[in-house]
Amino acid sequence: DQQVKQNSPSLSVQEGRISILNCDYTNSMFDYFLWYKKYPAEGPTFLISISSIKDKNEDGRFTVFLNKSAKHLSLHIVPSQPGDSAVYFCAASGGGTYKYIFGTGTRLKVLA
Amino acid sequence: DAMVIQNPRYQVTQFGKPVTLSCSQTLNHNVMYWYQQKSSQAPKLLFHYYDKDFNNEADTPDNFQSRRPNTSFCFLDIRSPGLGDAAMYLCATSRDIREYNEQFFGPGTRLTVL
Repeated sequence: DQQVKQNSPSLSVQEGRISILNCDYTNSMFDYFLWYKKYPAEGPTFLISISSIKDKNEDGRFTVFLNKSAKHLSLHIVPSQPGDSAVYFCAASGGGTYKYIFGTGTRLKVLA
Repeated sequence: DAMVIQNPRYQVTQFGKPVTLSCSQTLNHNVMYWYQQKSSQAPKLLFHYYDKDFNNEADTPDNFQSRRPNTSFCFLDIRSPGLGDAAMYLCATSRDIREYNEQFFGPGTRLTVL
């Protein structure tokens, strides 16, 4: 039973446009969410997080939106750059545990 | 730079031959994690150490063991690898387990079982 789902395995976006990566979760106890970025041959690196007390968190070109009623979060990258090409994982935690459940990842390709 | 290091990056073993994967950290974090990630799947937590306390996930096979001899090092031992254990193994650290912390990952060890 996959509690965190990233239903789009891949996404291609033109350089300069917006990239939107989506993540859905099923456990209503989750209250903290993170996005990680992973380049080939490297480990995932932390990108941005959001707590359930917020519905938006912004860091430079990256913004994460949380819709608690829909159990959905999204990562927006504006403008997208070729260096953003990577696999993006969302992860969720909550319900009395600080362990993270990861999604399967979305491979973003930003075309120059 | 403070970091999480995994050795080796690639490991080939034979079916049933014990193998040990290594992780070290210079972050001085209290928590160390081991994840298994198979192709196109989500990283799956196997276990974690909070300081010296070992915490096994309920569905982690007995074939997988871990040791943490000191703060800096953590090992993953696979006693009798099967073909289904071929995967990427990721080590991660975090400052604490009692609050939301980001986890810092190593580059992973890709295990092949022949």
